Amino acid sequence: GDSVTQMEGPVTLSEEAFLTINCTYTATGYPSLFWYVQYPGEGLQLLLKATKADDKGSNKGFEATYRKETTSFHLEKGSVQVSDSAVYFCALSTNSGNTPLVFGKGTRLSVIA
Amino acid sequence: GAGVSQSPRYKVAKRGQDVALRCDPISGHVSLFWYQQALGQGPEFLTYFQNEAQLDKSGLPSDRFFAERPEGSVSTLKIQRTQQEDSAVYLCASSLDRSPNSEQFFGPGTRLTVL
Repeated sequence: GDSVTQMEGPVTLSEEAFLTINCTYTATGYPSLFWYVQYPGEGLQLLLKATKADDKGSNKGFEATYRKETTSFHLEKGSVQVSDSAVYFCALSTNSGNTPLVFGKGTRLSVIA
Repeated sequence: GAGVSQSPRYKVAKRGQDVALRCDPISGHVSLFWYQQALGQGPEFLTYFQNEAQLDKSGLPSDRFFAERPEGSVSTLKIQRTQQEDSAVYLCASSLDRSPNSEQFFGPGTRLTVL
């Protein structure tokens, strides 16, 4: 079945450091790919998405590129802030209608000043 | 309302009790999903509604789990004879329509603890 694997945390970075969170997937067909973020005490929020190969999703300084050849969707940010501290989830959905999301286990990021 | 709401936010149940968890989706949203998130894990799909029709319940872990959405808006997830392994955060999400790119909006979740 479809699955998502993301790097395990926790990840601790100093403010202004470069962030990469790796995500790879296994899916039949051509899934859409997502990054969701869960801030402390809040619900899951969509951070960015890409729906086809070579698309780049971007939001709030974060970006990820849909790489079909490596089945990856790594999340990057050039300069993290304390406010980026959260749990990040990589997810996919197949494109056959409004289908459930398949999530990775999540990566906790802590940014220290 | 402005977003997806869920109630209660926290529920403590004794093993063997029945519980009911409520989800109020964004008004007008056709699709509604329930997910279960165990501690330290990502959410896992339970069931999916399109309006009042339950189109997929393949993720429900046992026949103790039952979900309904009788009028195509509010949904209730019921767990009968709760067990300790049912302890998790239950997330509800809604989306506007059934197109592949329709974003799912998540509620804050209900944290269920079974003692």
